[in-house]
This record gives sequence, structure tokens and C-alpha cells, in this order.
Amino acid sequence: GAGVSQSPSNKVTEKGKDVELRCDPISGHTALYWYRQSLGQGLEFLIYFQGNSAPDKSGLPSDRFSAERTGGSVSTLTIQRTQQEDSAVYLCASSPGTGTFTEAFFGQGTRLTVV
Amino acid sequence: AQTVTQSQPEMSVQEAETVTLSCTYDTSESDYYLFWYKQPPSRQMILVIRQEAYKQQNATENRFSVNFQKAAKSFSLKISDSQLGDAAMYFCASNYGGSQGNLIFGKGTKLSVKP
Repeated sequence: GAGVSQSPSNKVTEKGKDVELRCDPISGHTALYWYRQSLGQGLEFLIYFQGNSAPDKSGLPSDRFSAERTGGSVSTLTIQRTQQEDSAVYLCASSPGTGTFTEAFFGQGTRLTVV
Repeated sequence: AQTVTQSQPEMSVQEAETVTLSCTYDTSESDYYLFWYKQPPSRQMILVIRQEAYKQQNATENRFSVNFQKAAKSFSLKISDSQLGDAAMYFCASNYGGSQGNLIFGKGTKLSVKP
């Protein structure tokens, strides 16, 4: 596609429910990143996929958060048993690879509201 | 631990004037990049300018330029001839792990442009 696509754009869920957020990276990009942006804060790294390598999950805040990337393309971020503190904008980015001259391109994010 | 600090939560500038946004950082990386991203209300993070730490020359992109002081770990953004479309959140970021998508962000500066 022309850019990184995220869906849904907005999601309201009840506390305790599970949610799935989707990211379609730019075609051919091997690297994919998830970030979380809480109100009034900068972006917080969550997880990083590069090709077929094991993902870097060091930023996931708890075991309620997980992500997968199928076929090296689309990624899904899953939050189980959502809590109010999970309310944030979740941003996805992709880049052509890990070379030092590759730029990360961001999607427009999913705004998650847990009520 | 790597940190990026933006000490100006909000800034305001008159249209056609010049404004400087401040950023300081701390990193253990021997080679790294510094970035300024713009986030309009659409939420999409847009790369404004990038500086490679081993380059002494300050990066410039049209009306945007940086003042990179490596010893002081300072990386400010200067916007010349400010335009109404420059109004947005601006985030300073530093990469780590050799990838331009593994980023540590500051908390942002909200820039308003007055007509």
C-alpha cells in the first residue's frame, strides 16, 4: 500500500474485554514496530519485528500484551483483559530494514479507550 | 538508560517568525541518530529532520534546521518563516540498537502558530 495502515481508527471497549489492533505495513518493509502514546506523553516502544527473527518484546508492559506478525507482513497487537490504564493511541511503524539509512514510517494509530 | 528530554511543553510563534524547540538527550550508543518528528491532529508521526551523530555539520531541510551540540547532548530544532501548517506536536527522538525505528521519544512540545 501507499502507507502504513492501521485499523480500527478508534476503539472503545469495556474493562476486562480483549482487543485486537491491526497494522498493515508498507509493502516490502521487513521491520515493524508498535508504540504506545498515552495522553500528554511521548511514544513508548512496545515491540519490534524484523524479518523472520524473534521479535524484540522488551517494551511490552505486561503479559496481557502480545503481538504477532503473520507472513512477515500484517501485524496484530492483542491486549487481553483490558484495563483503564491501557487507554492510549497505539501507533505502528514500518521500515525497509535495519540499515542505518532506513526511515521508519508511521501509521495514523488506533485510539483505544477502555471504559 | 537512554533518555530524551523536551523542557518546553508548549511554544508559540507568530507567522513568518522563527522559533526554536529545545531537546537534550542521553545515550550509551556510540553511533546514533537524532530525529525531530511532527505530529499533527491526524496523529501520524512525520519525520521532519534527522541528524547523524558522527556528522558535525547541522542538518537542514528547507525551513527546518538543527543545532546539534554533541558534547552538551543538545539537539534543538529551528523553524524559520513559520507557517500556520507548522502548528503541531513536535517530538525529539533518539534511536538505539542500530535501527532507525527503535526510538526513544521526548514528551513533546506543542507548537502554536499565530496568524
